[in-house]
Amino acid sequence: NAGVTQTPKFQVLKTGQSMTLQCAQDMNHNSMYWYRQDPGMGLRLIYYSASEGTTDKGEVPNGYNVSRLNKREFSLRLESAAPSQTSVYFCASSEAPGYGNTIYFGEGSWLTVV
Amino acid sequence: EDQVTQSPEALRLQEGESSSLNCSYTVSGLRGLFWYRQDPGKGPEFLFTLYSAGEEKEKERLKATLTKKESFLHITAPKPEDSATYLCAATGGGNKLTFGTGTQLKVEL
Repeated sequence: NAGVTQTPKFQVLKTGQSMTLQCAQDMNHNSMYWYRQDPGMGLRLIYYSASEGTTDKGEVPNGYNVSRLNKREFSLRLESAAPSQTSVYFCASSEAPGYGNTIYFGEGSWLTVV
Repeated sequence: EDQVTQSPEALRLQEGESSSLNCSYTVSGLRGLFWYRQDPGKGPEFLFTLYSAGEEKEKERLKATLTKKESFLHITAPKPEDSATYLCAATGGGNKLTFGTGTQLKVEL
């Protein structure tokens, strides 16, 4: 059981380049999330998808776009990367939003923008 | 605004030396208090969910407790393999899960 799988694991981008982080879950969860983790900041929500066909902004959405491709897959796109987007990105999923449902995380994607 | 504060930021223990990690939260209408373990270079690994004050959950050497303002993660007789960063998070419902910045635990022989 793979759980939440993210690709790529590591990526170096030049300022202004674009890229997409891919995420897939095999737990038949309805909700999926993208977080970023920075030193001293804790995990912060970028975007989420409460169910297939819906997406909403989280705490720090600027500079990002997302696509819920189907129930399993949720991608995060950086259209024009900036050094401030250097971070570790985590995809996550849960059965449904709210109600204290546990959120399960992927292994992370390390992104450096130079 | 929801807030979650963890203390201490870092903790160094000798093997077998029990201790507790603290998570203070300010969340309207708490729907869940979560504990995760995160190893270097890995994603957060789910440990516990607590839903109401007075609730306790245990797993091996770890026990999580919850009051109306705080949660504690008690580590009994820790081993070096318990070394990790422990994250606390809380939600009042919806999709907003607020994380603390974590406690980095190092258990030495």
